[in-house]
Amino acid sequence: DADVTQTPRNRITKTGKRIMLECSQTKGHDRMYWYRQDPGLGLRLIYYSFDVKDINKGEISDGYSVSRQAQAKFSLSLESAIPNQTALYFCATSGLRETQYFGPGTRLLVL
Amino acid sequence: DAKTTQPPSMDCAEGRAANLPCNHSTISGNEYVYWYRQIHSQGPQYIIHGLKNNETNEMASLIITEDRKSSTLILPHATLRDTAVYYCIVRVAARSGNTPLVFGKGTRLSVIA
Repeated sequence: DADVTQTPRNRITKTGKRIMLECSQTKGHDRMYWYRQDPGLGLRLIYYSFDVKDINKGEISDGYSVSRQAQAKFSLSLESAIPNQTALYFCATSGLRETQYFGPGTRLLVL
Repeated sequence: DAKTTQPPSMDCAEGRAANLPCNHSTISGNEYVYWYRQIHSQGPQYIIHGLKNNETNEMASLIITEDRKSSTLILPHATLRDTAVYYCIVRVAARSGNTPLVFGKGTRLSVIA
């Protein structure tokens, strides 16, 4: 079984809809992250959490919110999806050594 | 975090060593050099990291210059499966800093048969 899982793997939604992307990990890590990737670009950090009571904004948090329901779960929400949020979304986890382990990604299309 | 500079793309013949350079001229004394790669649209994969000594693992070797202003990732015998985007990242060690990794655009390595 994968250490970091993301659901759904693919999602098509319409402008204005609220959607949630979920991430779960079995590595026992405290730190979790959400990134987005646009075609031809590197990853950009949306939000990160160093433990269940710690949530921090990343480089591009506008239009997104997160919830750290437990050590193993970190969800990303788009309150009102817009077309320029069409992207590939990655969840990652890390322990104290800061080596990050990434999930397989969620491909989101906003029409 | 210090900024890194990498060439946008490189080619390498299959079976040959792939040498990927990275400049990090403003690196601080407590910042590590990390390398990740991303194959097609999969999640990035950790390769190796180091502070000032050269490092080697089962995937690659990392050579850091004595002044730490640049480094080279070496894949000793590149295969077609090594075709990917390679990211060089510098950051403080986790215990002494709370900032996460910052990914740039990386180097797109194409291994050619």
